[in-house]
Amino acid sequence: KNEVEQSPQNLTAQEGEFITINCSYSVGISALHWLQQHPGGGIVSLFMLSSGKKKHGRLIATINIQEKHSSLHITASHPRDSAVYICAVSPQGGSEKLVFGKGTKLTVNP
Amino acid sequence: DAGVIQSPRHEVTEMGQEVTLRCKPISGHDYLFWYRQTMMRGLELLIYFNNNVPIDDSGMPEDRFSAKMPNASFSTLKIQPSEPRDSAVYFCASSLWQGTQYFGPGTRLLVL
Repeated sequence: KNEVEQSPQNLTAQEGEFITINCSYSVGISALHWLQQHPGGGIVSLFMLSSGKKKHGRLIATINIQEKHSSLHITASHPRDSAVYICAVSPQGGSEKLVFGKGTKLTVNP
Repeated sequence: DAGVIQSPRHEVTEMGQEVTLRCKPISGHDYLFWYRQTMMRGLELLIYFNNNVPIDDSGMPEDRFSAKMPNASFSTLKIQPSEPRDSAVYFCASSLWQGTQYFGPGTRLLVL
């Protein structure tokens, strides 16, 4: 079993829809990261959080440490949001390594 | 800042050849990471350095892979000899302690 599980694997939405991507993990963590990878291949860090909620524009990330679960929400989705969204965790213990989920491929149609 | 710089961006080589991938981290960052991404396995950490010293190389697949960081502004990942199953996208990233990791554009490697 992977330490980081994401759902769904693939998601297709219509422009304007509210989108939720989920991430569950099985290890103790010091932080959780949400990354975005566009079709061109570049990877960008969206959020790093260890508690509560963070918001950046139309993106919102939440984390529940007790339930070992995080969600990434996109409000008023747009075709330019089409990308692969990757959840990653920094395991407790002082290591800087990241453990990645398999990613969620999001397609937003106009 | 120019961000993390990787070269080459694309590499096509034949099985058995030596491949060297290069990375220049963001100036001032003291952590450098090498990742590999494949369709089957997703993103995987290969090795990371702190202040030029390798800290965790448990993800390096086998002895054919080696990584060095001779100074704070340069790192290499070498595969010798290369095999078709090494075909993947290799990313370098850098960060400060417990900070956001900034990824380079990646090197797309194809071993024929």
